[in-house]
Amino acid sequence: EPEVTQTPSHQVTQMGQEVILRCVPISNHLYFYWYRQILGQKVEFLVSFYNNEISEKSEIFDDQFSVERPDGSNFTLKIRSTKLEDSAMYFCASCFSRQETQYFGPGTRLLVL
Amino acid sequence: DQQVKQNSPSLSVQEGRISILNCDYTNSMFDYFLWYKKYPAEGPTFLISISSIKDKNEDGRFTVFLNKSAKHLSLHIVPSQPGDSAVYFCAATNNAGNMLTFGGGTRLMVKP
Repeated sequence: EPEVTQTPSHQVTQMGQEVILRCVPISNHLYFYWYRQILGQKVEFLVSFYNNEISEKSEIFDDQFSVERPDGSNFTLKIRSTKLEDSAMYFCASCFSRQETQYFGPGTRLLVL
Repeated sequence: DQQVKQNSPSLSVQEGRISILNCDYTNSMFDYFLWYKKYPAEGPTFLISISSIKDKNEDGRFTVFLNKSAKHLSLHIVPSQPGDSAVYFCAATNNAGNMLTFGGGTRLMVKP
């Protein structure tokens, strides 16, 4: 069964460094999302992406964040200058159409020191 | 901003019995609701969903009920199995495919 994959599974970085989290959505899906879950808190929406542009973003998704679909398979989340409070699990999700369920990847655990 | 709330952080049930997980929402614009199951160190796995035009949806052992007037939904698992032990999240959206708003999760423990 097709699934969303994410790399790396864990990343440790120093505050102020840039990180890029990678996702490979399910191959025929057209809508892509990033969510995050800070330890002990809810899963929170960050951004949605369709047709090579951001369709919706939350207040969390400030200028430090960017997303890109550099080729036909990858979907990336970049954090330009990480802060301690960026430490969280980051989940990528995808779906085929707006009327369908979002399927999640296994997540990347980001730890900012 | 607690638009979706799961008031029970945990629930313990005996194997074979029914598990009932509850979820309340405040945003009347939500029209599509989902339940996800999550194991530690894994992403949320989709379980079952319901559109606001329905009040019940069933898939095997899982049934979701929606009470729009009360802005309440529930997930019933019957019979419960030890492998069902996980954290269950309800989520809502105002248009399937848009951003999901999640509840805080309920940890279900099914005892053998």
